[in-house]
Amino acid sequence: QKEVEQDPGPLSVPEGAIVSLNCTYSNSAFQYFMWYRQYSRKGPELLMYTYSSGNKEDGRFTAQVDKSSKYISLFIRDSQPSDSATYLCAMSAAAGNKLTFGGGTRVLVKP
Amino acid sequence: GAVVSQHPSRVICKSGTSVKIECRSLDFQATTMFWYRQFPKQSLMLMATSNEGSKATYEQGVEKDKFLINHASLTLSTLTVTSAHPEDSSFYICSWGPDNEQFFGPGTRLTVL
Repeated sequence: QKEVEQDPGPLSVPEGAIVSLNCTYSNSAFQYFMWYRQYSRKGPELLMYTYSSGNKEDGRFTAQVDKSSKYISLFIRDSQPSDSATYLCAMSAAAGNKLTFGGGTRVLVKP
Repeated sequence: GAVVSQHPSRVICKSGTSVKIECRSLDFQATTMFWYRQFPKQSLMLMATSNEGSKATYEQGVEKDKFLINHASLTLSTLTVTSAHPEDSSFYICSWGPDNEQFFGPGTRLTVL
């Protein structure tokens, strides 16, 4: 079993819909949780960074962390075709520590 | 976010040759950086953690003599793939970060013929 599980998709939604992404993990030591967006043949771009449990909102993006369930989510409101990319969750146990990535979910927003 | 550059963005080489990839942080200094490898349609796999002034720590299964890491300064790290073979063809990405907000370079696509 992988340390971080993420549905590979693809997840296809119409423009304007809410995109819902999630990851589950097994290591209870994880404290820092991140979501990255990666376009084809590009490096990942940091979208959201959350410490411990709770919600965080930034524009159209909302990240949720439920440590009791070992479950994290990312919601994208009013999705645009430019949001079509692969979304990677990542987490670590301590600041400055190495990241453990999920496998990534490919998202396609259709105009 | 922080800016990280990589050079070259793409390289094609013959089997048996060595290839050097540079990674620079352009607007901050960090003692620790990471090198990842990503195969098509797969996630990022950590290869090694590099600390400025000391030897890199390699992940299990990564050959340290094949993937040489030189953390020359707080803003520059290099990865040299020695005696490259076709199975080394991949997308190599570095990341820097003041803490867990890791910022990634644009990646280097290596193709070994």
